[in-house]
Amino acid sequence: SYVLTQPPSVSVAPGKTASISCGGDDIGSLTVHWYQQKPGQAPVLVMYYDSDRPSGIPERFSGSNSGNTATLTISRVEAGDEADYFCQVWDSRSGQHVVFGGGTKLTVL
Amino acid sequence: EVQLEESGGGLAQPGGSLRLSCAASGFSINNYEMSWVRQAPGKGLEWVSYISGSGGTIYYADSVRGRFTISKDSAKNSLFLQMTSLRVDDTAVYYCARCRASFFDSWGQGSLVTVSS
Repeated sequence: SYVLTQPPSVSVAPGKTASISCGGDDIGSLTVHWYQQKPGQAPVLVMYYDSDRPSGIPERFSGSNSGNTATLTISRVEAGDEADYFCQVWDSRSGQHVVFGGGTKLTVL
Repeated sequence: EVQLEESGGGLAQPGGSLRLSCAASGFSINNYEMSWVRQAPGKGLEWVSYISGSGGTIYYADSVRGRFTISKDSAKNSLFLQMTSLRVDDTAVYYCARCRASFFDSWGQGSLVTVSS
């Protein structure tokens, strides 16, 4: 089965840049999507098709995907960006169809 | 405005059944693929099931196949998840989500299912 690996936690100071990785075998051949989830709330799509931002998501959010790693980058981090972030792919090859990474807790220091 | 509202969660005994509903508004579920995604307490997201816009294609996660059934009612513009043979590890918040190709662009607020004796 296909596995997506994320670091459990990332910490960053306000105004700095946070990078959240999502590792997977040849993940660059798949399209990766990212969700933000704040405590007690439903997930919110923040990036789709590797690097496309939904309307309403700040330009500070960007994404990339190549080789075995996809990355969500948040520039000029704000306190309101503190949340859990999950990567996701659709992998029909494995039969699982939808696979989520384990999630990364972003802490703003 | 797209809205998804889940209902039907609650407490069930191991081996019991529950039926979740998800009422959609602002769009027709006939035109979109839909999924159920769950999140155990303090854990990550786990995809559960998918149904195509026509209803002709359905997928399940290995962990629920044979026990859960996804369906929809176009007249009610609603999605359902019939859960049987429930296990303690099915305890989770269950979200319905609208699919666009390979991602989920709208989510409900979730419905808590607790399986305990």
